[in-house]
Amino acid sequence: GENVEQHPSTLSVQEGDSAVIKCTYSDSASNYFPWYKQELGKRPQLIIDIRSNVGEKKDQRIAVTLNKTAKHFSLHITETQPEDSAVYFCAARVRTSYDKVIFGPGTSLSVIP
Amino acid sequence: DTEVTQTPKHLVMGMTNKKSLKCEQHMGHRAMYWYKQKAKKPPELMFVYSYEKLSINESVPSRFSPECPNSSLLNLHLHALQPEDSALYLCASSQVGGDTQYFGPGTRLTVL
Repeated sequence: GENVEQHPSTLSVQEGDSAVIKCTYSDSASNYFPWYKQELGKRPQLIIDIRSNVGEKKDQRIAVTLNKTAKHFSLHITETQPEDSAVYFCAARVRTSYDKVIFGPGTSLSVIP
Repeated sequence: DTEVTQTPKHLVMGMTNKKSLKCEQHMGHRAMYWYKQKAKKPPELMFVYSYEKLSINESVPSRFSPECPNSSLLNLHLHALQPEDSALYLCASSQVGGDTQYFGPGTRLTVL
C-alpha cells in the first residue's frame, strides 16, 4: 500500500553543521514531494517542495534532492541554527480515488548551540 | 492572504457533548482537509473536500462528521467522542487536491 518511510527519527547536530533527512516512498506514480517543519505547539509549515520533473531544488540553506528511480528524496540543511530545531515531515502525493499526501513519521532535529 | 484560520484554539468537551470545529480560507483554494495529529506523530488525514466532493478516510469513526457550506468554509461536527479522540485537529487547504497544503493553527481538543 501507500507508504512513506523517514530516517532518522531523531537527529542531533552542532550549530553550524549540516543535517540530512532521508525518505523513501512506495507509489511510483507519486510526483510531488513537500517537506514540512513543525515547531512545538505550532502548525506544520511548508519549507520546500519538489516535483518529479526536477532532481534538485535549493532555497538558501535548504535543499531537496529526488531520485525517482530509487524512490528516494532527501532534505539537506546547511549551517544549522538553533531555530532549525523542530520536527520535520516529508510527504508524497498519492493518487487513489482522490489526491492526497502521505506523511512520513517525522524526524526530530535538535541543533545544539 | 495566505492564511487558514481555525476556531476555537482550544476545546474541552465531555463524551456526551456535541461541538463543532470551524475552518476558513480566503486563498480561493478548491480543496480543504481535516487532519488529526497525536503528539509526536504525523498528521493523519480524516476528510478531503475537493471541488465540493467529499472523500473519507474509511478508518475515521462516524462520531466525526464534516460539512462544507461553501468552498471557503469547512466544519467538523463532533458527537459522542471518546478520550482517545483528544488530539490536535488541523485544517488545511490547497489549490487543487494533493497539491501544496497550507495548514491552520489547529484546535487542541480534550475529551474528558
